[in-house]
Amino acid sequence: DVKVTQSSRYLVKRTGEKVFLECVQDMDHENMFWYRQDPGLGLRLIYFSYDVKMKEKGDIPEGYSVSREKKERFSLILESASTNQTSMYLCASSLIGARGRDEKLFFGSGTQLSVL
Amino acid sequence: GDSVTQMEGPVTLSEEAFLTINCTYTATGYPSLFWYVQYPGEGLQLLLKATKADDKGSNKGFEATYRKETTSFHLEKGSVQVSDSAVYFCALNTGNQFYFGTGTSLTVIP
Repeated sequence: DVKVTQSSRYLVKRTGEKVFLECVQDMDHENMFWYRQDPGLGLRLIYFSYDVKMKEKGDIPEGYSVSREKKERFSLILESASTNQTSMYLCASSLIGARGRDEKLFFGSGTQLSVL
Repeated sequence: GDSVTQMEGPVTLSEEAFLTINCTYTATGYPSLFWYVQYPGEGLQLLLKATKADDKGSNKGFEATYRKETTSFHLEKGSVQVSDSAVYFCALNTGNQFYFGTGTSLTVIP
């Protein structure tokens, strides 16, 4: 069965800490995405990547960076965590389809991050 | 820009009731439309999709029809079960990226 695995289900960090959220997919997908999910706001795209060592900003990249050194792994980095980054973080992956817009996203189970 | 608007929740229904969750979209191109479902404690998973106008997506008793004239993709189910309790997200993909609605929480009571 296809899988997107996020390293932690729950994480508690302190303000100012550097935080790494890891995501691994076993489907050989080219595309990988990081979203944050907040009540009333739905899913908002932070960063995405179409290939190894490639990254693109999403709608809310401020305060975040990403790393994609291997095809299967996409890391989200909070350089200096702040309380307004308390959220559910969802990683997703997809193939690059011939029609592009038809490809579905496969999601991990999410990491609930609390910044105190 | 491209966007999705879906009805606000939460929605509470009795078992076997009829469900409709409204979704409308704005897109410059010809998007594909999706419904994703998120069960408690899990990530999102695809429920159904439609890739062109008048297509009907269906899965697990849920249906949605791609209506270009009304720019809508409403989710329906004739008889909900307790196990359908979840958050439902409408989404579109224009080929560049996915856009999600804010989610509608559904609780089905026995």
